[in-house]
Amino acid sequence: NAGVMQNPRHLVRRRGQEARLRCSPMKGHSHVYWYRQLPEEGLKFMVYLQKENIIDESGMPKERFSAEFPKEGPSILRIQQVVRGDSAAYFCASSPDRDRQYFGAGTRLSVL
Amino acid sequence: RKEVEQDPGPFNVPEGATVAFNCTYSNSASQSFFWYRQDCRKEPKLLMSVYSSGNEDGRFTAQLNRASQYISLLIRDSKLSDSATYLCAVINTGGFKTIFGAGTRLFVKA
Repeated sequence: NAGVMQNPRHLVRRRGQEARLRCSPMKGHSHVYWYRQLPEEGLKFMVYLQKENIIDESGMPKERFSAEFPKEGPSILRIQQVVRGDSAAYFCASSPDRDRQYFGAGTRLSVL
Repeated sequence: RKEVEQDPGPFNVPEGATVAFNCTYSNSASQSFFWYRQDCRKEPKLLMSVYSSGNEDGRFTAQLNRASQYISLLIRDSKLSDSATYLCAVINTGGFKTIFGAGTRLFVKA
């Protein structure tokens, strides 16, 4: 059973470009979470989704950030018009039961 | 005040030592508690859930103290491979958001 798959592992963007981060949950998991982690800091919750629904996006900035988890395909975290402050590690986690979470290896976004 | 707080450490202990970490939470409505470990530049990995009655998994024991609003993790007979950052996580009743502490760093030395 493959784990949570995130791609790309590393993403470099120039200021003003768009970043798309993908997350395929573990088989049988219908709950997906996105987190951001800055160096030497803890994980910050961004958004929680179930298939085709955003359940809680209280941790996501109101502008430039969006997330989806379509019926078919991976969950996508999209950051428009990236700025240097968006540079971070973005982790996705999936869960079978909304509690225990299994993390992907993360996407490290660098904004030049 | 942060909703979930941990001593950042680092804790430097010799192999074979017993070490304990605490994690305090401020929301009395918190219902689910977990410990994760995170190695440098890697993803967090679920270590164990924390139940009201306490639970043990090999050398690791987790406890919950609702009255004082903290959870603890005890590691016995520390191994070099236990060196990592230990994150506690809390989910509030009726909520979906998981709140992580900033982590406690552990170094186990030979």
